[in-house]
Amino acid sequence: EAQVTQNPRYLITVTGKKLTVTCSQNMNHEYMSWYRQDPGLGLRQIYYSMNVEVTDKGDVPEGYKVSRKEKRNFPLILESPSPNQTSLYFCASSSFGQGGTEAFFGQGTRLTVV
Amino acid sequence: GENVEQHPSTLSVQEGDSAVIKCTYSDSASNYFPWYKQELGKGPQLIIDIRSNVGEKKDQRIAVTLNKTAKHFSLHITETQPEDSAVYFCAGASGSARQLTFGSGTQLTVLP
Repeated sequence: EAQVTQNPRYLITVTGKKLTVTCSQNMNHEYMSWYRQDPGLGLRQIYYSMNVEVTDKGDVPEGYKVSRKEKRNFPLILESPSPNQTSLYFCASSSFGQGGTEAFFGQGTRLTVV
Repeated sequence: GENVEQHPSTLSVQEGDSAVIKCTYSDSASNYFPWYKQELGKGPQLIIDIRSNVGEKKDQRIAVTLNKTAKHFSLHITETQPEDSAVYFCAGASGSARQLTFGSGTQLTVLP
């Protein structure tokens, strides 16, 4: 079954404690991205990756890091989480295609930073 | 960059009625406009998309229209059912860019 898998689904952490949210896709997609979803703001892109070892900032990259060492994995790293990073996070992947293609989303990770 | 505005933020309709959600975009180079449905506790899922060389697309009870001149596009759901209740997001992307810019979402509630 084609899917994007995120872990963990729920996470409560304390300010300043480094954490990683994992994302894996089994569709051999080149493009992967991370979004955060906040009430009234929709989905905002944090970082994206066009392929292995190619990453770039999205609209709200401050406080986040990513890496793309393998095509299927795209972890999101919060080196020093702060309460304003409390949010619902989604990983997504898509293939390259003329004029845009469907993005497949993971189930989401609800992060609370206290 | 692209800016996508979506209205309304909440919409309640009676079962069987139609629902319309509207979005506007700012980047005239945008040429791909998908709509996503997000059910409670799940990630967004594509329900329909339209490209700029098409003015309308329909899939059963769902249709999307695009007006490139006015830079707006709309989602139409006919004969609504309780299972249509969800958050709907519009989005836009330009050229070969894979960066989707999303609207702020519409909470649709279908009342039995």
